[in-house]
Parts: sequence; structure tokens; C-alpha cells
Amino acid sequence: QVTLKESGPGMLQPSKTLSLTCSFSGFSLSTSGMVVSWIRQPSGKSLEWLAAIDWDGDKYYNPSLKSRLTVSKDTSNTQVFLKITSVDIADTATYYCARNTEASYYFDYWGQGVMVTVSS
Amino acid sequence: ETTVTQSPASLSMAVGEKVSISCKTSTDIDDDMNWYQQKSGEAPKLLISEGNTLRPGVPSRFSSSGYGTDFVFTINNVLLGDEGIYYCQQSDNVPYTFGAGTKLELK
Repeated sequence: QVTLKESGPGMLQPSKTLSLTCSFSGFSLSTSGMVVSWIRQPSGKSLEWLAAIDWDGDKYYNPSLKSRLTVSKDTSNTQVFLKITSVDIADTATYYCARNTEASYYFDYWGQGVMVTVSS
Repeated sequence: ETTVTQSPASLSMAVGEKVSISCKTSTDIDDDMNWYQQKSGEAPKLLISEGNTLRPGVPSRFSSSGYGTDFVFTINNVLLGDEGIYYCQQSDNVPYTFGAGTKLELK
């Protein structure tokens, strides 16, 4: 059974760095072709793909946010991390991690999401 | 970047009616279009993936068609439990982009 779960700080101040963790089970990121992506959704708005990391450690970023994003994974291949630097109010959103594959960037399993509020 | 234009923004339907949602892309994406359902307070759920492929466990009332830049998602015989927001998403090129969503309400 594939499950993913995001965790994060809940709230942080503008200009700080947001650190998010995606813990997953039911698959391994060491398996050829596996990818974990980060997607966010401001309240009442649509979805925005942010970044992805694949089984081989290759990283992919949304060009509009690339300078502020860093995606990484742990050596056990059961957690993926996302850092967003210099956050502002526009980064307030629910952040999801989701599974996809190298061959297909559709997202077949999603975490429940973690809400992040940027506020002074 | 491929822009995905989804319409309509909202629909109010009666049980048993047919729902149609359109997504148009700014570039040719072959058949790399995917469709999701999001219910209130939940994560999106993948219903249909590339090549108009119905995902396992998804009722056959849901279907899609299209290729290139024009895509249509259909629900036949809509049920109360189908209420939610539906999103299309292109998986052809980075960044992978979503439509603005269609809110489906049942009368």
C-alpha cells in the first residue's frame, strides 16, 4: 500500500526558509523510474507543480521558482525534502508530495497535504 | 510553459445528467493530459491518465477524449458523490501545469 505524508512548520515569518518533509512507504525511491514531486495549492486556488526528484537523484524544478527551491532525498530513500528560501505571503498554501514516474508525470498517489501559513 | 485553459469554472447539474469539461493547451501535448477529482478538504485523486486511460477502480462513467491541444472530460449519469472540483493537468513538459479547475455542484 502506497502512502505519503507531508510535515512542516505550520507557520513561519516572511523572508525565512520553509523546510518540508515527505515521508512515504509502499515504494522505494531507489527503484528505477520512481519520482516524488512537490505540488502546492493556495486556498481556493488551483495546483502548482514545484519540483521533483527521481530515483537517480536527478532534480527538476519549476523555472518560475527555481532560484528559491531545493529538493533532496535521504539515503534510505524513504523521505524527500523541499526547501523554499525567502518565503512571503504568496507562499501560503497547502503543500503536497505525490508519486509519479520518470516516464509519466501524472501523480497517482498523493499525501494528505500540509498547510503552511506565511505571516509576520 | 504550456498554459492549460479549463472551462467552465463551475457547473450545476442534476443527478443523471452528463457533464462535460474542456481543457485547451497552448502547445501540442499529444495525449499527455490527466484528470483529477478533488473533494473538499482532500488531496486530488487521479481519475484518468495519459492516453485517456481510466485508472483502476474508477467507474466507467468517467471518460475523456482529445489529442494535441483540445481535450474533454465527461461524466455520464452524474451522481451526488461526484461533487467536487475537477482539474486537468498536462504531463508533456516542464513545468507540469494544471487547469484552473471546474467546480461541480449537484442540484
